[in-house]
Amino acid sequence: TQLLEQSPQFLSIQEGENLTVYCNSSSVFSSLQWYRQEPGEGPVLLVTVVTGGEVKKLKRLTFQFGDARKDSSLHITAAQPGDTGLYLCAVPAGGTSYGKLTFGQGTILTVHP
Amino acid sequence: EADIYQTPRYLVIGTGKKITLECSQTMGHDKMYWYQQDPGMELHLIHYSYGVNSTEKGDLSSESTVSRIRTEHFPLTLESARPSHTSQYLCASREDRFYGYTFGSGTRLTVV
Repeated sequence: TQLLEQSPQFLSIQEGENLTVYCNSSSVFSSLQWYRQEPGEGPVLLVTVVTGGEVKKLKRLTFQFGDARKDSSLHITAAQPGDTGLYLCAVPAGGTSYGKLTFGQGTILTVHP
Repeated sequence: EADIYQTPRYLVIGTGKKITLECSQTMGHDKMYWYQQDPGMELHLIHYSYGVNSTEKGDLSSESTVSRIRTEHFPLTLESARPSHTSQYLCASREDRFYGYTFGSGTRLTVV
């Protein structure tokens, strides 16, 4: 059983379209992070959300943390080919101070020109 | 401009060879991690370290070993590579648990 369920697993859209990807769990988290990974590279942190109901914007990307801190969404407005990549959500893994993260299985986004 | 460096980027080796994947960071972070990732898939934690001379195994069983003799250096070693080890290996570091990971660009390993 996955701790984090991301959906959809694959998303193929045309440039200019809007999209939303989801990260869901039955557990409550103190924080949640979103990363984007381009082919052949390591993931890059996009945002950290910590407060239930929090909304953060990063240019055309809008991130929301659920009120109960069990889920999150990432909305992209007017997608561009440069948005293509693997989008991963991640949460703290357990109560240790070692800072480990558990990742979802990711959403592969392809934006066609 | 990367602050965490992994070498080599690509490696193709024969079965049974011993290999070491290098990871170095210049940020002075105490916490470092190794993840294994198949193409387009989730990351699985295989090793982590919270400081010099401390290493722990992660959630995914791995036949690799790690060492942490210096803060900036966290190499991963496979004593005898097998085709099942073919994967991408990502190294990361973190300032503390309130910050995100900084990842290296990864090593794509192919064992033939």
